[in-house]
Amino acid sequence: LAKTTQPISMDSYEGQEVNITCSHNNIATNDYITWYQQFPSQGPRFIIQGYKTKVTNEVASLFIPADRKSSTLSLPRVSLSDTAVYYCLVGDLNTGGFKTIFGAGTRLFVKA
Amino acid sequence: SAVISQKPSRDICQRGTSLTIQCQVDSQVTMMFWYRQQPGQSLTLIATANQGSEATYESGFVIDKFPISRPNLTFSTLTVSNMSPEDSSIYLCSVEIAQGRTEAFFGQGTRLTVV
Repeated sequence: LAKTTQPISMDSYEGQEVNITCSHNNIATNDYITWYQQFPSQGPRFIIQGYKTKVTNEVASLFIPADRKSSTLSLPRVSLSDTAVYYCLVGDLNTGGFKTIFGAGTRLFVKA
Repeated sequence: SAVISQKPSRDICQRGTSLTIQCQVDSQVTMMFWYRQQPGQSLTLIATANQGSEATYESGFVIDKFPISRPNLTFSTLTVSNMSPEDSSIYLCSVEIAQGRTEAFFGQGTRLTVV
């Protein structure tokens, strides 16, 4: 499984756009990129998943450059409730024996 | 999607005793996963539990310490045996479902304190 590197923490203010970048230099051809969000005292929650270019859903956007060695999670107009830990994961979804391995994550603090 | 229920949600246990954590899923799933999350840390995978076979443990985790049962496709238990204060942690159950994307669903966790 490819190793990921993220900033340990980030600060932002309400209403700003937040971009969290994850490095995964050893990503393999069949690997997908997935982001999870975790609030205190809860299990992680799926945010978004992608393979290349750009993916957007109702919560966030995921930007993946052509070389796929990094990815950026973009959270538009964050609110206080977006304060959480965000995990970037990389793995092959086609092996039939996939398992989710978590890195250190990025602690996002949104201030009023 | 999947809804996962874990019991107990929290417990305080004496060292040397054992605690069994239950995980119930509202749909049949092939594989279930158990994680440990120590305060302020990320999640560490303990083992993968397949129905009808022995669990597969990650490096640093052994069956004698963390025996796992998987009697059917909707239920699993994790036992933390012969507990010490170092076992104080949050234990989470998870399943992964492929539905156009592959998404992991987590229980709310069991907060264990060993005194």
